[in-house]
Amino acid sequence: KAGVTQTPRYLIKTRGQQVTLSCSPISGHRSVSWYQQTPGQGLQFLFEYFSETQRNKGNFPGRFSGRQFSNSRSEMNVSTLELGDSALYLCASRTGDDTEAFFGQGTRLTVV
Amino acid sequence: QKEVEQNSGPLSVPEGAIASLNCTYSDRGSQSFFWYRQYSGKSPELIMSIYSNGDKEDGRFTAQLNKASQYVSLLIRDSQPSDSATYLCAVNTGYNQGGKLIFGQGTELSVKP
Repeated sequence: KAGVTQTPRYLIKTRGQQVTLSCSPISGHRSVSWYQQTPGQGLQFLFEYFSETQRNKGNFPGRFSGRQFSNSRSEMNVSTLELGDSALYLCASRTGDDTEAFFGQGTRLTVV
Repeated sequence: QKEVEQNSGPLSVPEGAIASLNCTYSDRGSQSFFWYRQYSGKSPELIMSIYSNGDKEDGRFTAQLNKASQYVSLLIRDSQPSDSATYLCAVNTGYNQGGKLIFGQGTELSVKP
């Protein structure tokens, strides 16, 4: 069974640009959550999608957005990039509430 | 108050010792609890899940849950240098808003040969 797949693995962007990251969950998993990980802040919850609906959102500015498609694949978008957006972005999929979540390899975003 | 809190560490134990990692959470309604291990430069990997009060054992790992005290712990017996990693406690919370999996800051464990 294939795991969670995130693309691309690495990205370098310039301040002010926008970026789109992709996450393909494990087959059968309808929930996809996104996290930002930085050395100082740990794993910060961005948002969770379930069956194409955003169910929860963390404390991030509106520049961070996401969506989920009918096949459960999810994308997150960051507009007007700032240097502080440099981080490892992780997605995790699970079948639903209270079930185990599995992570992709992450996308390392560097903003210069 | 943070939703999930862990000992900041780092925690250093000698090879063969028991490592004890602790976690507290704020949402009394939380029903599911998880421990993840993250090696430097890698993504978190699930090592244990626990749903009921008491102990759950899996090999050298034991997870302990006390919902009344809102406390979760992970014991690693016979610690090995390969166990050196950051351990993340995760709690499913916010059920009235659809539920979300929230992580603690992580505890860095170093096992010395």
